[in-house]
Amino acid sequence: AQSVSQHNHHVILSEAASLELGCNYSYGGTVNLFWYVQYPGQHLQLLLKYFSGDPLVKGIKGFEAEFIKSKFSFNLRKPSVQWSDTAEYFCAVNERGSYIPTFGRGTSLIVHP
Amino acid sequence: GAGVSQSPSNKVTEKGKDVELRCDPISGHTALYWYRQSLGQGLEFLIYFQGNSAPDKSGLPSDRFSAERTGGSVSTLTIQRTQQEDSAVYLCASSQGTGSYNEQFFGPGTRLTVL
Repeated sequence: AQSVSQHNHHVILSEAASLELGCNYSYGGTVNLFWYVQYPGQHLQLLLKYFSGDPLVKGIKGFEAEFIKSKFSFNLRKPSVQWSDTAEYFCAVNERGSYIPTFGRGTSLIVHP
Repeated sequence: GAGVSQSPSNKVTEKGKDVELRCDPISGHTALYWYRQSLGQGLEFLIYFQGNSAPDKSGLPSDRFSAERTGGSVSTLTIQRTQQEDSAVYLCASSQGTGSYNEQFFGPGTRLTVL
């Protein structure tokens, strides 16, 4: 069975610090990749996604993620975080052709002003 | 338009009682998912509905769990004879179409507490 690992469960940063959240998956075939975010008191929502093409994907609010196939990774990055980025971040992976994504355990990000 | 809605937002029940959780997906979305999120865990897939096809129930943890979707719209997740380990946030999501390319739109969840 496929698994998705998010190595950082809790991250605490100061505003303007750079962010990188790790995501690794176990499936060796073709995959679709997603990052979802859940702000305090809000629903889970899509941050960005990768299906094919340029492995560097840009999402909302200045976030980006890079798909590195050889490393089975899809790490999320932001050069300079803001207090409003405080949220829970989830990586999700679909095997191509499957309609059931596998989610990671999530990373809680706290940004201090 | 309106997003995915779920009710109730919170449910406290006693061990052994049955509970029903409701999900109202985005209008026109043919796919509907139920997930369970326990403290510190990721989203655990429970069940998937797509149009009029038979649901994929492969994620249901036991036969105490069941779900139905009436008229291709509203869905109800039923947990019979609840146990304390059923305590979790139950999330519903809907998406357009089928396949692995579709973004899922999530509801606010129902927080279930079994005493």
